[in-house]
Amino acid sequence: GQQVMQIPQYQHVQEGEDFTTYCNSSTTLSNIQWYKQRPGGHPVFLIQLVKSGEVKKQKRLTFQFGEAKKNSSLHITATQTTDVGTYFCAGRWSGGSNYKLTFGKGTLLTVNP
Amino acid sequence: DGGITQSPKYLFRKEGQNVTLSCEQNLNHDAMYWYRQDPGQGLRLIYYSQIVNDFQKGDIAEGYSVSREKKESFPLTVTSAQKNPTAFYLCASSLKGLVNNEQFFGPGTRLTVL
Repeated sequence: GQQVMQIPQYQHVQEGEDFTTYCNSSTTLSNIQWYKQRPGGHPVFLIQLVKSGEVKKQKRLTFQFGEAKKNSSLHITATQTTDVGTYFCAGRWSGGSNYKLTFGKGTLLTVNP
Repeated sequence: DGGITQSPKYLFRKEGQNVTLSCEQNLNHDAMYWYRQDPGQGLRLIYYSQIVNDFQKGDIAEGYSVSREKKESFPLTVTSAQKNPTAFYLCASSLKGLVNNEQFFGPGTRLTVL
């Protein structure tokens, strides 16, 4: 089946450093969503990207969707301890169900204060 | 207070027993989902339902069953045929359509089979 590959699996940073996680699909995505799961919690929706080359910002978080709609990234500027958690991308492909999301394996971010 | 509830938070069962996990939502969402989460594996889709009385298998449906008799409820049964049932189970729901279709997750049920 179709998969979304996400790297890195883990990232440890010092507070104030930047962080980036990447997702790749071998085929063109219809859209991609990003979720954050705090330790011990459940995933919470962050954003959806639909258009080729789309860039969206939420405070210190910047989300990008590649021109070919095969890759996406989440960049956090100047990390804070509140950013700790696992970040997941989740993709949909054209021709598939509008409902079915395929999640990447996630990137666990830890921040040293 | 709208949202998704899952109960119980922790569940222990003996090997060979079927167990049913509860998921209820009052968000008036048409679509509901069940995921399994194992360490380092992300979320894997078990079953999903787009409308009452209809559901589809996800990527790892073997050993699981679901029903969707009411819009608000989507219970998951982990049967004795599931070879490795110990995991964290997450239920989610969403609106229909191509936009505003983010998934809202419940708090999860951690199932341990002894």
